[in-house]
Amino acid sequence: NAGVMQNPRHLVRRRGQEARLRCSPMKGHSHVYWYRQLPEEGLKFMVYLQKENIIDESGMPKERFSAEFPKEGPSILRIQQVVRGDSAAYFCASTPTGGTSPLHFGNGTRLTVT
Amino acid sequence: QQQVKQSPQSLIVQKGGISIINCAYENTAFDYFPWYQQFPGKGPALLIAIRPDVSEKKEGRFTISFNKSAKQFSLHIMDSQPGDSATYFCAASTTGNQFYFGTGTSLTVIP
Repeated sequence: NAGVMQNPRHLVRRRGQEARLRCSPMKGHSHVYWYRQLPEEGLKFMVYLQKENIIDESGMPKERFSAEFPKEGPSILRIQQVVRGDSAAYFCASTPTGGTSPLHFGNGTRLTVT
Repeated sequence: QQQVKQSPQSLIVQKGGISIINCAYENTAFDYFPWYQQFPGKGPALLIAIRPDVSEKKEGRFTISFNKSAKQFSLHIMDSQPGDSATYFCAASTTGNQFYFGTGTSLTVIP
């Protein structure tokens, strides 16, 4: 039973480029969360999505960041015109239902902006 | 505003000792309180979770104590082992909503 799959594991982008992070949730899971983690820091909520819907994007910067979870295919977190401050580990997690069912995390995408 | 406050930030325990990590919350609507364990280079993994209708839950060497009136919950790791050295996160959520995480505790168990 495959877990949450994130790719790529490592992504290097130059300032101004676009970064696309992909997340395939566990089978049967229709709720996806994205979190950002900086070194020695906790998990900062970014966005919560269901299939074809954004439920809560209160943690996502209004500029340059967007997320989607289409009917078919993985969830995508897109960062346009990346800056050095975007360098972090980005984790995706999924649940079969939102809120009080266990979150299952992927191993993250480590984004480095040079 | 930090919805879930976690302490201590770091903890060093001798092998065989008890590790205790504390969390506090303000939102009384929270009804699910999980703990996650994270090793370097990996995603967090669910360790143990509790709902507010019980005051304690034990799984092996890991115990959650929950105090609803004080709005606090804690993780106890009995007989701590070097393999327990990791970062631990508490979290809280409500049905249909996002999870709020504490800032994490880096645990080091000395052999």
